[in-house]
Amino acid sequence: DAGVIQSPRHEVTEMGQEVTLRCKPISGHDYLFWYRQTMMRGLELLIYFNNNVPIDDSGMPEDRFSAKMPNASFSTLKIQPSEPRDSAVYFCASSLRSGQGGNYEQYFGPGTRLTVT
Amino acid sequence: AQSVTQLDSQVPVFEEAPVELRCNYSSSVSVYLFWYVQYPNQGLQLLLKYLSGSTLVESINGFEAEFNKSQTSFHLRKPSVHISDTAEYFCAVTSTSGTYKYIFGTGTRLKVLA
Repeated sequence: DAGVIQSPRHEVTEMGQEVTLRCKPISGHDYLFWYRQTMMRGLELLIYFNNNVPIDDSGMPEDRFSAKMPNASFSTLKIQPSEPRDSAVYFCASSLRSGQGGNYEQYFGPGTRLTVT
Repeated sequence: AQSVTQLDSQVPVFEEAPVELRCNYSSSVSVYLFWYVQYPNQGLQLLLKYLSGSTLVESINGFEAEFNKSQTSFHLRKPSVHISDTAEYFCAVTSTSGTYKYIFGTGTRLKVLA
C-alpha cells in the first residue's frame, strides 16, 4: 500500500486566498483525522471522520476552516480566506479500529507545509 | 477528558548513552498508550504501543516503554542511542471505548551527539 497520500506537499499563498489540502487515506481504513502542527501550539487535532461522517470538529479554529469527506478514499481541508497565522504543517492520518481487524494505529501522511504571506 | 504531559521539550544525549523520555497522562477512563516518532520533514510513525497484556512493550529498533498504571506513566527508554535516533518523540493516549480521539503530548526533541 502507498500509505496516506497528501497533496500538495508545499503550498505558498497570499493572505485572503482560498487553500485546499487533499488527503487519500489507506484503503479500507474507516477513520480519518486532520491535524495541524506548529512550533507554538504543537500537534492539534482539527477534525476526524468515521465512515466519511464528521464525528468531532471541535478543534477547527474558526469558520474559515471546513473539511469534507465525500467518499472513503478522499478528504479535503479548506481554508477560506487564508491568513498568515494559518501557516503550519497539516497532517492527515487514517486508521482502522481494532474491532474491525485494526490495531488502533494511526498512519500519518507526509504533511502539507502551508505558508500564507 | 484526557491529557498528556511530556515534561522534557529537549533531551541531548551522547551516542551510545542510555536515554529516558518521560510521559505522564491523566484520564478518568481506561486508555491505550502510544509513542510516535517524527523525523525531520516527515509525518509521525508509530514506535510502540500498549493495548493490554504485558506492561513492558518493545519496538524493533531497541526502544521500550513500560505502562505504570499507579503512576499514570508511560516512559520511553533506550539503553544505547544512535545518531539516527535523533528525532521528535510524541506520547499519545486514546480511550479504550467511546470517542476515538487521540491526545498527543507536546513532544520531546531527542538530539544524539557524536
